[in-house]
Amino acid sequence: DSGVTQTPKHLITATGQRVTLRCSPRSGDLSVYWYQQSLDQGLQFLIQYYNGEERAKGNILERFSAQQFPDLHSELNLSSLELGDSALYFCASSVASGGTNEQFFGPGTRLTVL
Amino acid sequence: AQKVTQAQTEISVVEKEDVTLDCVYETRDTTYYLFWYKQPPSGELVFLIRRNSFDEQNEISGRYSWNFQKSTSSFNFTITASQVVDSAVYFCALGYGGSQGNLIFGKGTKLSVKP
Repeated sequence: DSGVTQTPKHLITATGQRVTLRCSPRSGDLSVYWYQQSLDQGLQFLIQYYNGEERAKGNILERFSAQQFPDLHSELNLSSLELGDSALYFCASSVASGGTNEQFFGPGTRLTVL
Repeated sequence: AQKVTQAQTEISVVEKEDVTLDCVYETRDTTYYLFWYKQPPSGELVFLIRRNSFDEQNEISGRYSWNFQKSTSSFNFTITASQVVDSAVYFCALGYGGSQGNLIFGKGTKLSVKP
């Protein structure tokens, strides 16, 4: 158990809908990262927050947004969902920002868009 | 551009065989970090190791060992005397040296260890 929690574990929804994925980092970790894992794209970085502020952005679609709250949990919002958004979404956390820090991954949320 | 290549898509071995998973990276940074993660069939990503670009010493942890060679931009992972429980997808990843913490992952190598 990495100490990172993600809810829900599975999510099935329809095209055009909006969903929110939630992540709680390990105790003491200030940085939260979101990654998307799909068969064709592999593991792709979406966005990083550090202590409530956006720190880095990857290939995140405009339909997707995220935030980190004062208690350091984070939410990833996916809207106007398309079939291609079906994927495993991972949250990871680390003590600080920067590549020197190990990232510990949550169990993931499997999103299926029908 | 930053890039990680894991040329081996799938490897199948018989238990107790040694197996090496290859990882080649590209970066223009002088300070960077390399990682290996394991993704078992259950789906979670498990951290295995982190090395920084200034430390080329090989590392051994039980049956696992890592060979980092800057001259060939490689960070290979060897499992000695493989076991069925080693069956998983293994990812190599590259991290920036600056304040950005995101990782760039390779496509992964699926290792199947048969009894």
